[in-house]
Amino acid sequence: SQQGEEDPQALSIQEGENATMNCSYKTSINNLQWYRQNSGRGLVHLILIRSNEREKHSGRLRVTLDTSKKSSSLLITASRAADTASYFCATDPQGTSGSARQLTFGSGTQLTVLP
Amino acid sequence: EAQVTQNPRYLITVTGKKLTVTCSQNMNHEYMSWYRQDPGLGLRQIYYSMNVEVTDKGDVPEGYKVSRKEKRNFPLILESPSPNQTSLYFCASSWGRANYEQYFGPGTRLTVT
Repeated sequence: SQQGEEDPQALSIQEGENATMNCSYKTSINNLQWYRQNSGRGLVHLILIRSNEREKHSGRLRVTLDTSKKSSSLLITASRAADTASYFCATDPQGTSGSARQLTFGSGTQLTVLP
Repeated sequence: EAQVTQNPRYLITVTGKKLTVTCSQNMNHEYMSWYRQDPGLGLRQIYYSMNVEVTDKGDVPEGYKVSRKEKRNFPLILESPSPNQTSLYFCASSWGRANYEQYFGPGTRLTVT
């Protein structure tokens, strides 16, 4: 079942601009992860942020987490054409254990960075 | 190089003809899983395995089988494929379920006619 929902579904920007993607989820989480997928290829892990963290950075990526609003954002600064991809959030729901504890993915944001 | 491999990458088959998609990882991960990806639906988990000989259903297991006889391999079996199983399939592995990063294979694009 889908837990995270990304917004917008599609985003088109110019090279050098910043790109912001949002993820909202329904139930409390242990952690939230962001992944990137180049067209038709496997997903690549970007960042994992735990429920007690508010912000994490990795290179040009900045992820924030607001557990009170049940939302997260992924900011890519100074975007490049190579950042063109789909971006997915994945949540680890709280209150589940054993076999029920599975990562659930949203439908993704398609980012296009124009040269 | 740490990786998850899948074979074949592309497969076109006919309804009812049994097929197997192989998945192998070289990171000694205990946890492996299979997902399917369909437009507008994101990734949905088919089956997962916590360790050798331990497998369990995900969200969409109907029409699929898996086995985990060795730690590194986790094949996906479609005993009698149907057109609604046309999809992009991904195998993934990690050290744990939801609290660890998942390493994904390159994907298998399956078309069932």
